[in-house]
Amino acid sequence: DQQVKQNSPSLSVQEGRISILNCDYTNSMFDYFLWYKKYPAEGPTFLISISSIKDKNEDGRFTVFLNKSAKHLSLHIVPSQPGDSAVYFCAARNNNDMRFGAGTRLTVKP
Amino acid sequence: DGGITQSPKYLFRKEGQNVTLSCEQNLNHDAMYWYRQDPGQGLRLIYYSQIVNDFQKGDIAEGYSVSREKKESFPLTVTSAQKTPTAFYLCASSRPVVNTGELFFGEGSRLTVL
Repeated sequence: DQQVKQNSPSLSVQEGRISILNCDYTNSMFDYFLWYKKYPAEGPTFLISISSIKDKNEDGRFTVFLNKSAKHLSLHIVPSQPGDSAVYFCAARNNNDMRFGAGTRLTVKP
Repeated sequence: DGGITQSPKYLFRKEGQNVTLSCEQNLNHDAMYWYRQDPGQGLRLIYYSQIVNDFQKGDIAEGYSVSREKKESFPLTVTSAQKTPTAFYLCASSRPVVNTGELFFGEGSRLTVL
């Protein structure tokens, strides 16, 4: 039962352009949504989060949008930089239960 | 420095053998977690523990066992019943769930079955 889905396994964008990573979920009980960034052979690191009572949260180049009616969230990175190349995981939390999507590999080309 | 330490980073297991992965944190976090990342897949929850001497099964607990005798430590034993050939294991911890409750991850341990 996959409660968090990232349907795009990979995304490639040009440096300076916008990267948009998408995530869908099924459980309406999730109260926080998070994005993590992961480099090979390392643990994921927390990037940005959004509460279920908000629809937007911005932190520098990173903005997360939440559409509760569609059970959809997205991460926007603008402008994209080559150092942003990594796997991005979407996660959703219900109390201490944290569920992850399969990840999207972002490649930012110089 | 505060953080989560996993060891060993690489481990090989023969079929029929049990192995234990270590996870230690000095962040004073109550909750700790074990996830497995299979090639091309996301992170799947094996076990989690909210407090000392208590833990719950995640989605893929079969073939694994854990203990939580100390707040700082949450070791994972991969038993001979676990058939996954190679996987990347991630330990994490989190603060009490009063805000985002984001997880802090260790650097991971790669386990290969020979």
